[in-house]
Amino acid sequence: DAGVTQSPTHLIKTRGQQVTLRCSPKSGHDTVSWYQQALGQGPQFIFQYYEEEERQRGNFPDRFSGHQFPNYSSELNVNALLLGDSALYLCASSGGDRSYNEQFFGPGTRLTVL
Amino acid sequence: AQSVTQLDSQVPVFEEAPVELRCNYSSSVSVYLFWYVQYPNQGLQLLLKYLSGSTLVKGINGFEAEFNKSQTSFHLRKPSVHISDTAEYFCAVSDPNDYKLSFGAGTTVTVRA
Repeated sequence: DAGVTQSPTHLIKTRGQQVTLRCSPKSGHDTVSWYQQALGQGPQFIFQYYEEEERQRGNFPDRFSGHQFPNYSSELNVNALLLGDSALYLCASSGGDRSYNEQFFGPGTRLTVL
Repeated sequence: AQSVTQLDSQVPVFEEAPVELRCNYSSSVSVYLFWYVQYPNQGLQLLLKYLSGSTLVKGINGFEAEFNKSQTSFHLRKPSVHISDTAEYFCAVSDPNDYKLSFGAGTTVTVRA
């Protein structure tokens, strides 16, 4: 049973650029959440996608946007990158026969903005 | 809105000694509670969860936690740690009517021989 997968594992961008991160949920899950984990901090909720719509959003600017595809995979897009966007971006999936709050995390994408 | 406070940022412990990681939450409603572990350069792995029922929850790798509603706490314990338990541990809370997890700042556990 494949768990949550994310790509790429590492990414280096410069300020002002745009980036797209990808996530495939665990088999049987229909919901994808994205979190940002800055160095030395706990993850912060960005948003959650369900049925191809953004169901809930955290306190992040509109530069952060997402998408969910019919196969439940998801993308996170960040525009006009800032140095402060450097972080580990974690994708989590949930759903199926479990509570939507019980989330399973992928290995993350490490984004460095120079 | 829920919030989580992990009372210890770093916990050094000797191998085979017990360890307790403290977590307090603030919420005006019923909650779901979770402990996750993060090994270096990896994602988060679920250790255990409290959704309802028994307040003593057993998880993977010999960890357990106790939900105490009156003290709004969910402390994590292991009776005997191994070198391989060296990692970052995160406590998280969620409202059953909400979908997001709110995490604490984490506790770094370093196990020494």
